[in-house]
Amino acid sequence: DTAVSQTPKYLVTQMGNDKSIKCEQNLGHDTMYWYKQDSKKFLKIMFSYNNKELIINETVPNRFSPKSPDKAHLNLHINSLELGDSAVYFCASSQSSGSNTDTQYFGPGTRLTVL
Amino acid sequence: AQSVTQLGSHVSVSEGALVLLRCNYSSSVPPYLFWYVQYPNQGLQLLLKYTSAATLVKGINGFEAEFKKSETSFHLTKPSAHMSDAAEYFCAVSAGSGGGADGLTFGKGTHLIIQP
Repeated sequence: DTAVSQTPKYLVTQMGNDKSIKCEQNLGHDTMYWYKQDSKKFLKIMFSYNNKELIINETVPNRFSPKSPDKAHLNLHINSLELGDSAVYFCASSQSSGSNTDTQYFGPGTRLTVL
Repeated sequence: AQSVTQLGSHVSVSEGALVLLRCNYSSSVPPYLFWYVQYPNQGLQLLLKYTSAATLVKGINGFEAEFKKSETSFHLTKPSAHMSDAAEYFCAVSAGSGGGADGLTFGKGTHLIIQP
């Protein structure tokens, strides 16, 4: 069974559209994350979320919003897509939000291409 | 605030040779350090992590790393490279006051090339 899964794996869309990427973890973890990997492979945290708190990286545009229907899911909604949003988006999860030592488990990524 | 610097965006070694990937960190609080590997078109997989229990950390696939506070370094090594080690390697630090919820701060990655 896949620990952290994402759908879709590839997403091609036009500028201005609204899209969502889904993430599910079956590890029973309390905290989930979204990272963005740009064309130079640089990874940057976008959000972290548990059932108590959403932490947003201040550099993330408000067109991006995480939505968590339950503890096992953290979906990423993106409004008014721009060319610069093209990247690979990774979901991750960790056991708790109270420890810096927890391992984060990553999904396979979603490659978003905005035309 | 914390940061990670990986020296060398590309490292090329011969099969069977020593692998050394460099990582230096900056942190105002005691850091926890991680090495992740990313194979082409895949997600990231944890190789090893330093959590202050021991300065020499052994990971999967024969990799190990040594935490050196005096040098603010956490270099990754493997005695003998294998063709299957070709991948992108990321060093990361977690040191925020919010616990793990602050997420990981990654270096820019090092692309490891293995020459036959």
